Amino acid sequence: GENVEQHPSTLSVQEGDSAVIKCTYSDSASNYFPWYKQELGKRPQLIIDIRSNVGEKKDQRIAVTLNKTAKHFSLHITETQPEDSAVYFCAAVGGYNQGGKLIFGQGTELSVKP
Amino acid sequence: EAGVAQSPRYKIIEKRQSVAFWCNPISGHATLYWYQQILGQGPKLLIQFQNNGVVDDSQLPKDRFSAERLKGVDSTLKIQPAKLEDSAVYLCASSYSTGNEQYFGPGTRLTVT
Repeated sequence: GENVEQHPSTLSVQEGDSAVIKCTYSDSASNYFPWYKQELGKRPQLIIDIRSNVGEKKDQRIAVTLNKTAKHFSLHITETQPEDSAVYFCAAVGGYNQGGKLIFGQGTELSVKP
Repeated sequence: EAGVAQSPRYKIIEKRQSVAFWCNPISGHATLYWYQQILGQGPKLLIQFQNNGVVDDSQLPKDRFSAERLKGVDSTLKIQPAKLEDSAVYLCASSYSTGNEQYFGPGTRLTVT
């Protein structure tokens, strides 16, 4: 089955700097890769996603890149702000015959220092 | 649109007791998921429904956990009997169909003492 590895587990940056979180996946049939932000005690919230037919997607300060050959994808946050502090999870969803099962990475705790 | 609703939000029980959680998905969403999130880890899928049928329950500890979605809308997840290691947040999510964006509910924080 699918396995998702996420690094780093913790990341501390200064306000205004960029943050990068990387994930690798094992199942080459995976075709959908969402990123979730989870603030303490709250539900995971989708912040950006990418499908396997594109290599990059951007939404304001957030971007995601996908390298299908290497089976890895990354989240890039530019001009970080203190409110970006949270735990970020990457995930991968397999092909239709896998029922759309979402496999999460272990999470990255991002801390943005003012 | 209204989001995914879950109740209760918090539950404290003793080991060997039973507990049930309820989830109401977003209207029109055919797919419903139950996840277990242990502190410091990512959510782990327990069971996935498509309408009222089970798509995947490979990681559901069936000796103590059960779930149903009888009318293809609301769902309940039950644990009987509970163990200490069941302490976690139980998240319900729904999507329009499989492979689409999943929307999470607020979760139920279970503490087993």
